[in-house]
Amino acid sequence: DTEVTQTPKHLVMGMTNKKSLKCEQHMGHRAMYWYKQKAKKPPELMFVYSYEKLSINESVPSRFSPECPNSSLLNLHLHALQPEDSALYLCASSQVQGVITDTQYFGPGTRLTVL
Amino acid sequence: GESVGLHLPTLSVQEGDNSIINCAYSNSASDYFIWYKQESGKGPQFIIDIRSNMDKRQGQRVTVLLNKTVKHLSLQIAATQPGDSAVYFCAENNAGGTSYGKLTFGQGTILTVHP
Repeated sequence: DTEVTQTPKHLVMGMTNKKSLKCEQHMGHRAMYWYKQKAKKPPELMFVYSYEKLSINESVPSRFSPECPNSSLLNLHLHALQPEDSALYLCASSQVQGVITDTQYFGPGTRLTVL
Repeated sequence: GESVGLHLPTLSVQEGDNSIINCAYSNSASDYFIWYKQESGKGPQFIIDIRSNMDKRQGQRVTVLLNKTVKHLSLQIAATQPGDSAVYFCAENNAGGTSYGKLTFGQGTILTVHP
């Protein structure tokens, strides 16, 4: 099973709202990722968690706040977003094996629209 | 900075033909490369990967070739089917020896298969 699930599938929010995106995997992967993908563009890395600790923050604005409450769950808390933050937000996970990088498996994404 | 790019943004083929999608990378330290397929409204789907100590890897109907001398990666799809129509992304891992990944994606190639 290589399934990563994400909820909700679609989200529409105003610029003053607070919302959260959720990601879950049950593959025993200890690395989890958030990516942002604009239309007709490749995914861009936002955050990496390894063993529930934030390992990479790609200079993402503080209005995006990631959280990894346990090894299976990854959240992205959203507050005071701008219309240009509208995009497909993708979650991914991978195994952690020493220094060998393993395949990242992606979820279906959350389509976010900021009004 | 380092980047991964594609030579052809679009590729149209007839059903049954073989398809070749190319990708150039510039980070000589990248040690792991992945091809993903992304259908409309879905997350990237893993197709095949290759590590830098290999130059060829085969899967079911797909072959990835890696030429480190010219920093070139290609994906070959045999007997292309209409269901293969999608955007194909190459991605390189340049996490610098960490166990989690740090993927940089190419711009993507749109493959259209005509019946």
